[in-house]
Amino acid sequence: GGIITQTPKFLIGQEGQKLTLKCQQNFNHDTMYWYRQDSGKGLRLIYYSITENDLQKGDLSEGYDASREKKSSFSLTVTSAQKNEMAVFLCASSIRRRTNERLFFGHGTKLSVL
Amino acid sequence: GEQVEQRPPHLSVREGDSAFIICTYTDSATAYFYWYKQEPGAGLQLLMSVFSNVDRKEEQGLTVLLNKKDKRLSLNLTAAHPGDSAVYFCAVSAKSGGSNYKLTFGKGTLLTVTP
Repeated sequence: GGIITQTPKFLIGQEGQKLTLKCQQNFNHDTMYWYRQDSGKGLRLIYYSITENDLQKGDLSEGYDASREKKSSFSLTVTSAQKNEMAVFLCASSIRRRTNERLFFGHGTKLSVL
Repeated sequence: GEQVEQRPPHLSVREGDSAFIICTYTDSATAYFYWYKQEPGAGLQLLMSVFSNVDRKEEQGLTVLLNKKDKRLSLNLTAAHPGDSAVYFCAVSAKSGGSNYKLTFGKGTLLTVTP
């Protein structure tokens, strides 16, 4: 079995700060995803990547950058943290972005902005 | 685009009772349907997936019903126990241009099972 590791687990930032979240997977999956989870709003897709060096925008990409330097890792940057922002960022992976692909999730990075 | 409504947002049941969660979706081309479970401080884990040609699927105390006519997906946990306490999400997948499929999540149901 594989695992998805997200670092850090908790991230506290200042308003306007640039913050980077990291994700590693050892499933050898092609596709990786970043989702944002807000209380009462479900999961919203920020970016996904179908292969190394590929980037695709999701529904919520504004205010974020992403980078897939190698197959096993996918990082997300909050370009300018918003005051009082609080959310959980979930990284996921799947074999390919096709019909019935099961997503495997990391445990999340909880962001708080002071 | 696809809209997914999930209800109830909160559900409290006693141990041994059933818990019923329902999702409705809007896109008639939706092909794949999923239920995920999220325990506190953890990511989402897939509970069950069904293809659109399946009306009912049962596994280990869980029953998923799919009513394509009414665009309704439900999850029933029979004989819930405290370990079932978690947030449950439905997710549906429909074609979104080319050969890609887009996954849309419901907003989640916080299930609390009391002893």
